[in-house]
Amino acid sequence: SQKIEQNSEALNIQEGKTATLTCNYTNYSPAYLQWYRQDPGRGPVFLLLIRENEKEKRKERLKVTFDTTLKQSLFHITASQPADSATYLCALDTDKLIFGTGTRLQVFP
Amino acid sequence: DADVTQTPRNRITKTGKRIMLECSQTKGHDRMYWYRQDPGLGLRLIYYSFDVKDINKGEISDGYSVSRQAQAKFSLSLESAIPNQTALYFCATSETQGENQPQHFGDGTRLSIL
Repeated sequence: SQKIEQNSEALNIQEGKTATLTCNYTNYSPAYLQWYRQDPGRGPVFLLLIRENEKEKRKERLKVTFDTTLKQSLFHITASQPADSATYLCALDTDKLIFGTGTRLQVFP
Repeated sequence: DADVTQTPRNRITKTGKRIMLECSQTKGHDRMYWYRQDPGLGLRLIYYSFDVKDINKGEISDGYSVSRQAQAKFSLSLESAIPNQTALYFCATSETQGENQPQHFGDGTRLSIL
């Protein structure tokens, strides 16, 4: 069965730095991959979708890459701010979404 | 008002009780989903429905049932609750048309079974 690993449970970085979160998967490569943000006590909120034929996707300070050879997606937040502190989930987009366990990002001043 | 509304937001109940969690949406989406979230396990799909007449089992459907009463309403039932069903439950919706669509989540129901 498909497995997804998000490389760390928690990531602490200083404000202004670039945060990089990793999502690795096994078995077959999905056609799409999605990233979500989840705040405590709230449901996940969609951020970005990237297709298998796209190397990179950007939205404001966010950038996602998708390497089907490495079976990996990287999620970058540039010029990070304390308001970016949240848990970030990747999800493989097959006929249904398969979610990773998430990485909790803490940005400190 | 929220686009995807879950009720109740919190529930504490006893083993063996029947529980219903409700989800309603104003987004006009055909597809609806129920997930549970546990620490260290992430979101896991319980049931999903692509339209009013369509119900499908997800990864972990045992012990659960669902009802799609209308396009806007999708309820999850635990017929006889057990402690290992203690978790955070989320409802989500998505569009049918177009390329793979994002899912829109409610804010969850925190369920504790004693």
